Amino acid sequence: DTGVSQDPRHKITKRGQNVTFRCDPISEHNRLYWYRQTLGQGPEFLTYFQNEAQLEKSRLLSDRFSAERPKGSFSTLEIQRTEQGDSAMYLCASSLDWGEQFFGPGTRLTVL
Amino acid sequence: SQQGEEDPQALSIQEGENATMNCSYKTSINNLQWYRQNSGRGLVHLILIRSNEREKHSGRLRVTLDTSKKSSSLLITASRAADTASYFCATDGETTDSWGKLQFGAGTQVVVTP
Repeated sequence: DTGVSQDPRHKITKRGQNVTFRCDPISEHNRLYWYRQTLGQGPEFLTYFQNEAQLEKSRLLSDRFSAERPKGSFSTLEIQRTEQGDSAMYLCASSLDWGEQFFGPGTRLTVL
Repeated sequence: SQQGEEDPQALSIQEGENATMNCSYKTSINNLQWYRQNSGRGLVHLILIRSNEREKHSGRLRVTLDTSKKSSSLLITASRAADTASYFCATDGETTDSWGKLQFGAGTQVVVTP
């Protein structure tokens, strides 16, 4: 499968724990995006990378959130000290320059 | 806050009927895109229409864009049960510093019954 992949697909954690998600974009894509989607809503932009550089972070992304894209390939999104309000689907997308964004299947996070 | 609003929020139709949903947005755009999402899954890109285009077709899909009214519509003709999904419009901002940061509406849930 040459599409965008995300791991894990589901994560259940207790409040206060740290979690890390991984996204593998389509190999030739230089841009990578993270979005968050809560139930009944559309995705909301969190941050994006061009190659390994993180170009922007939404104000939705508190200090507990950090994202990296070492070597401009896969990306990780870490949430420290999780809160119940962090429960959501975390979606990753990639694109070639400003082209169409291809989305992965998402990681569903449940914080108990 | 979300840029777009889809209308209706939910739509129930029978196979073979057409489904029309609308999207309104607030600020000027570079392009508008429609996505489909099956329950609990990622988004599938359907069609992109640029701000200087008024209508676009792709298979059974027809999208219109009226930038003066800041609105778009998605028409699915001859619907099938497999079209059951949530449909989202997403806008790409007009200025270069907003490109790529798609802003989505809350979506229209479409149910197609056999």
